[in-house]
Amino acid sequence: GAGVSQSPSNKVTEKGKDVELRCDPISGHTALYWYRQSLGQGLEFLIYFQGNSAPDKSGLPSDRFSAERTGGSVSTLTIQRTQQEDSAVYLCASSLGGQGLSGNTIYFGEGSWLTVV
Amino acid sequence: DQQVKQNSPSLSVQEGRISILNCDYTNSMFDYFLWYKKYPAEGPTFLISISSIKDKNEDGRFTVFLNKSAKHLSLHIVPSQPGDSAVYFCAAFSGNTGKLIFGQGTTLQVKP
Repeated sequence: GAGVSQSPSNKVTEKGKDVELRCDPISGHTALYWYRQSLGQGLEFLIYFQGNSAPDKSGLPSDRFSAERTGGSVSTLTIQRTQQEDSAVYLCASSLGGQGLSGNTIYFGEGSWLTVV
Repeated sequence: DQQVKQNSPSLSVQEGRISILNCDYTNSMFDYFLWYKKYPAEGPTFLISISSIKDKNEDGRFTVFLNKSAKHLSLHIVPSQPGDSAVYFCAAFSGNTGKLIFGQGTTLQVKP
């Protein structure tokens, strides 16, 4: 597709279950970001992938959160043993590159809405 | 540690008047500053940006001002239109880390 694609668009899960959120970045984009927005909060940085470099995981809130990027393209964000406070919109974004980027070529997906009940 | 702050959670203005959205940051090493607009149930979309070496950038009804000494930037929308009603996020980008750090957002309501 032409844009960043995320799936599922909506997910309701029971507390304690694991969830996987998927992001398909724009073809050719080497940088991929995960953010989340909780109710009433701003966009919170989670993790950043740039090419083959080690990802910047400094924003992951706990060890229940992990992310992979396979083949430099598709990324999966995994949340283990979900808690109610994990309920949020999880946004993925991609760009052509990280270094020297002007910023205005970062494209966001529509987000995956996670509700933990 | 909130590196990018938008201290006003909401703003209401009348159609045709100016909207001024403010943003403060703490890290003097940011290279670019950006504003994003977000409608409910949609991802954020890029609005306008400014390099750290500039103090003003204008694009149609949107102007961003940067005051580096005060570590402050603002977005001016004039004239405001009802379709501008959305959440506006200020963001700061560091070329060294590749990170884009967002503020908490300001909800703008433009009344007809």
